[in-house]
Amino acid sequence: QTVVTQEPSLTVSPGETVTLTCASSTGAVTSGYYPNWFQQEPGQAPRALIYSTIYKHSWTPARFSGSLLGGKAALTLSGVQPEDEAEYYCLLYCGGSWVFGGGTKLTVL
Amino acid sequence: QVQLQESGPGLVKPSQTLSLTCAVSGVSISRDTSYWSWIRQPPGKGLEWIGLVYTSGGTNYNPSLKSRVTISIDTSNNQFSLDLTSVTAADTAVYYCAKEFHPWGQGTLVTVSS
Repeated sequence: QTVVTQEPSLTVSPGETVTLTCASSTGAVTSGYYPNWFQQEPGQAPRALIYSTIYKHSWTPARFSGSLLGGKAALTLSGVQPEDEAEYYCLLYCGGSWVFGGGTKLTVL
Repeated sequence: QVQLQESGPGLVKPSQTLSLTCAVSGVSISRDTSYWSWIRQPPGKGLEWIGLVYTSGGTNYNPSLKSRVTISIDTSNNQFSLDLTSVTAADTAVYYCAKEFHPWGQGTLVTVSS
């Protein structure tokens, strides 16, 4: 089965820009993998941020953006806020089934 | 506003079947073209997609769970369900249901233990 890989952890200071990535063991991620991104705070259900690579939900803050970068799906936070500290998961459609990445713990210091 | 609520036993014995239901409000499943998903998260670990069901009743399952999983839809009661057979301690997790991948229910913890 496909393995989806994310950075285990990232640390960023408030106001900085950070990019989280999502790679597939089968090769380059394309729009056909329909990348999704989710934010999960402790004790809460995940909340969808991005779908189909670039599209934001109505509640997604403008500082979040999705893209494809160097063969991976990417989530960029421009001007990180303290409340962005959370776990972030990507989700890819791989060979007919959906696969989550292992998650990135984003720390804002 | 679409809302989902998981329900079912919080404790299941090893080798038995885990059965959960997801009640949907705010939309009629029978009139919605979405698919309906189950996802789980073991304590302290990441998310795992279990599978999904279409309004038509068609399904798609995680290959690693496919032999043990059945997801069904009940349009008359506006809900869908998950059955996972032959459970072990490794199936202990918070189980979430979702409309496609948003919104999600609040999740329900199922512990597999004798």
